[in-house]
Amino acid sequence: EAGVAQSPRYKIIEKRQSVAFWCNPISGHATLYWYQQILGQGPKLLIQFQNNGVVDDSQLPKDRFSAERLKGVDSTLKIQPAKLEDSAVYLCASNDGTDTQYFGPGTRLTVL
Amino acid sequence: AQSVTQLGSHVSVSEGALVLLRCNYSSSVPPYLFWYVQYPNQGLQLLLKYTSAATLVKGINGFEAEFKKSETSFHLTKPSAHMSDAAEYFCAVTRNSGGYQKVTFGTGTKLQVIP
Repeated sequence: EAGVAQSPRYKIIEKRQSVAFWCNPISGHATLYWYQQILGQGPKLLIQFQNNGVVDDSQLPKDRFSAERLKGVDSTLKIQPAKLEDSAVYLCASNDGTDTQYFGPGTRLTVL
Repeated sequence: AQSVTQLGSHVSVSEGALVLLRCNYSSSVPPYLFWYVQYPNQGLQLLLKYTSAATLVKGINGFEAEFKKSETSFHLTKPSAHMSDAAEYFCAVTRNSGGYQKVTFGTGTKLQVIP
């Protein structure tokens, strides 16, 4: 069974630029999560989808972050414009309705 | 509300020594508790989970954890550390909110194994 796929693995941009990350969850997993993991901290949930609907986006900085999961499968997270404090690893995870989340390898974003 | 506290951001043990990583939780409802491991430049991998069955939970790679309600703890242990155990470990608590799992992670403990 293929795991959660994310791309790119690494991205370096300058502040005020835009960036997008892509996630393809495990096949059949209805729930998809995006987390932000700042160096030295635990993952923080940004947004949670159930199929193509948003369940929780209470910690998503909506003035600059957006995410979509149009067909209920893969998802894109966008930052526009990026700030220095957005430097982090962005993790995608999926869930099949049980209590376990399966994580992708993450995208490491560096904002200069 | 729910939260987890991991005591010690860095723990060093000698190879072959006992590993003990501490986690205390706060939850208004009976919690589900997890330990994840993260190797450098990788995502999180589930080590073990407590979901209200046996209080002593065995996971992968020889790790286990014991749920102690009276102490609100879920410490992770391994009798004998191996060099390959060097990684960062995250404790997490989850609860069902509106039919969906809501997960809160601790700040992590980086384990160093000294040869």
